[in-house]
Amino acid sequence: DTEVTQTPKHLVMGMTNKKSLKCEQHMGHRAMYWYKQKAKKPPELMFVYSYEKLSINESVPSRFSPECPNSSLLNLHLHALQPEDSALYLCASSQRPGQAYEQYFGPGTRLTVT
Amino acid sequence: AQRVTQPEKLLSVFKGAPVELKCNYSYSGSPELFWYVQYSRQRLQLLLRHISRESIKGFTADLNKGETSFHLKKPFAQEEDSAMYYCALLYNTDKLIFGTGTRLQVFP
Repeated sequence: DTEVTQTPKHLVMGMTNKKSLKCEQHMGHRAMYWYKQKAKKPPELMFVYSYEKLSINESVPSRFSPECPNSSLLNLHLHALQPEDSALYLCASSQRPGQAYEQYFGPGTRLTVT
Repeated sequence: AQRVTQPEKLLSVFKGAPVELKCNYSYSGSPELFWYVQYSRQRLQLLLRHISRESIKGFTADLNKGETSFHLKKPFAQEEDSAMYYCALLYNTDKLIFGTGTRLQVFP
């Protein structure tokens, strides 16, 4: 399995809802990433997990809460989001943290906050 | 501060014409640079990285530290090259910053 998978593909949530995005890879990669991509903009880094530990948080608001339960799985828990949080959320993984390995991207979850 | 600049939002060429997608970077350290590509309805994927000095799908990119550039070139464009191209800089070991992207359109 050489892909990063993300579920769901689409998500619509109200500002008071709690939801989670899921990302999975079975390539044995030990670095995993969350990016946010607004329409017609490049992806922007949100979080980096290195060996299942949070290593980088790019000053992301606390209404986004990442979790890495094991080396294959990465979650992004969402709570009390704002309409401006609507975007495509991309997950990526790479072989090892701290080295210039290729990042493999998932197809993304398109989130709409109403 | 680190920055990646892609000055062209859209580049349109005819099949068989040469292509150059421009990328300039700003970074005080030793840069690790990449080109990522996104074809229609497909996920973002790596095209090239400067450390490997490869030619992928006929594309090459040379790091010019003096001009702080990493332009992507192909001598003869094909219709299947039509896609969104992002130049990206890796810094602080694990942070990847993308340029704003250039959409390449290759007409038959």
